[in-house]
Amino acid sequence: AQKVTQAQTEISVVEKEDVTLDCVYETRDTTYYLFWYKQPPSGELVFLIRRNSFDEQNEISGRYSWNFQKSTSSFNFTITASQVVDSAVYFCALSVGDTTSGTYKYIFGTGTRLKVLA
Amino acid sequence: DTGVSQDPRHKITKRGQNVTFRCDPISEHNRLYWYRQTLGQGPEFLTYFQNEAQLEKSRLLSDRFSAERPKGSFSTLEIQRTEQGDSAMYLCASSFGQGRVNYGYTFGSGTRLTVV
Repeated sequence: AQKVTQAQTEISVVEKEDVTLDCVYETRDTTYYLFWYKQPPSGELVFLIRRNSFDEQNEISGRYSWNFQKSTSSFNFTITASQVVDSAVYFCALSVGDTTSGTYKYIFGTGTRLKVLA
Repeated sequence: DTGVSQDPRHKITKRGQNVTFRCDPISEHNRLYWYRQTLGQGPEFLTYFQNEAQLEKSRLLSDRFSAERPKGSFSTLEIQRTEQGDSAMYLCASSFGQGRVNYGYTFGSGTRLTVV
């Protein structure tokens, strides 16, 4: 079975603090993709990053960084020096392929609501 | 705007009525997906089209739900005899896929359905 777990339901931090959002996934596939999306109050899902299962290199993009560890099936997301505009719900997602149906769907976690206080 | 468009953005309907939502994917995308997101949850997969063929339907998609993509371009999702439990955000996504690889997976802004 495929599953994504985001154990943190809600996190509140004060502006300029660093914050890490946890994501643990389960899959038996050897080829898969992991994603992080941001969902602001407007509701649209904003793509942040995609990582394939063969690339365990950590990635940094500005104040955002991602730590992918296959050994622990985790794909954690850190925001450095958080800002009020970072307040949103963040979703981790797993994409696997069904070679029978040809479907490549996303399995989302339940999301972590981040509140950054001024 | 070259993104995924969904119409309407909001829909309020009375229980028992039928509703239809439309999704216009990015024009060169051959794959189209519908998801449902209820309050406090992540989006859940409903169904998937490759061109005009509906290749997979989730068990979440009861007999009251039907989706079409008649010419491999836009798609419609119809809910018949709506129930209050159908209240949710319905998200459409599209991508260009070849084999196991998907490119440019993009979500629309969603249609928020409220059944009263």
